[in-house]
Amino acid sequence: DQQVKQNSPSLSVQEGRISILNCDYTNSMFDYFLWYKKYPAEGPTFLISISSIKDKNEDGRFTVFLNKSAKHLSLHIVPSQPGDSAVYFCAASRPNDYKLSFGAGTTVTVRA
Amino acid sequence: EPEVTQTPSHQVTQMGQEVILRCVPISNHLYFYWYRQILGQKVEFLVSFYNNEISEKSEIFDDQFSVERPDGSNFTLKIRSTKLEDSAMYFCASSEGSLAYTEAFFGQGTRLTVV
Repeated sequence: DQQVKQNSPSLSVQEGRISILNCDYTNSMFDYFLWYKKYPAEGPTFLISISSIKDKNEDGRFTVFLNKSAKHLSLHIVPSQPGDSAVYFCAASRPNDYKLSFGAGTTVTVRA
Repeated sequence: EPEVTQTPSHQVTQMGQEVILRCVPISNHLYFYWYRQILGQKVEFLVSFYNNEISEKSEIFDDQFSVERPDGSNFTLKIRSTKLEDSAMYFCASSEGSLAYTEAFFGQGTRLTVV
């Protein structure tokens, strides 16, 4: 299942700077998109979501942007903090789905 | 804050043995899921469960797998005859509504090791 792709396996960013994580999808039927954060040996934790009727959703330091024509979404974290070091998964669902399709994840390391 | 709880946190079993992974979803949630993550790979969907029946399953979820909601609080995943390739982290999740418009909350996972 390659419908959700995160092409950057890792990202290193200085504390206080912006982290930008990218996600591409191939299935035009996806209309709800989510970002999850995962620490080692823990389950994914929901961060933020966006519906296809919007192109931006913001929650504190986290902003998700959706470009439907490009089938692309991104997560911006600003400012990045050491506690943000984790694996970030992009996920998507379709209107009649009973499942989330996950990307492979991007490991973010925030340097002090 | 309500959370999804999974037991055990780590299960070691011999190949060919049956295992049952247990989950207590968030109490007012109606949809339940199992996912797994083989080491170094992506999180993969196994099965979803709604209204006391399977609503969707992946090709991974073959006849060796079954799910059950034996009472009003537990949700279990059974693997009848484990194989080495079943070794993975298994995550239970639940959601209040359809995943078309709401998020799923995940448990901490059960690490299954088949030897």
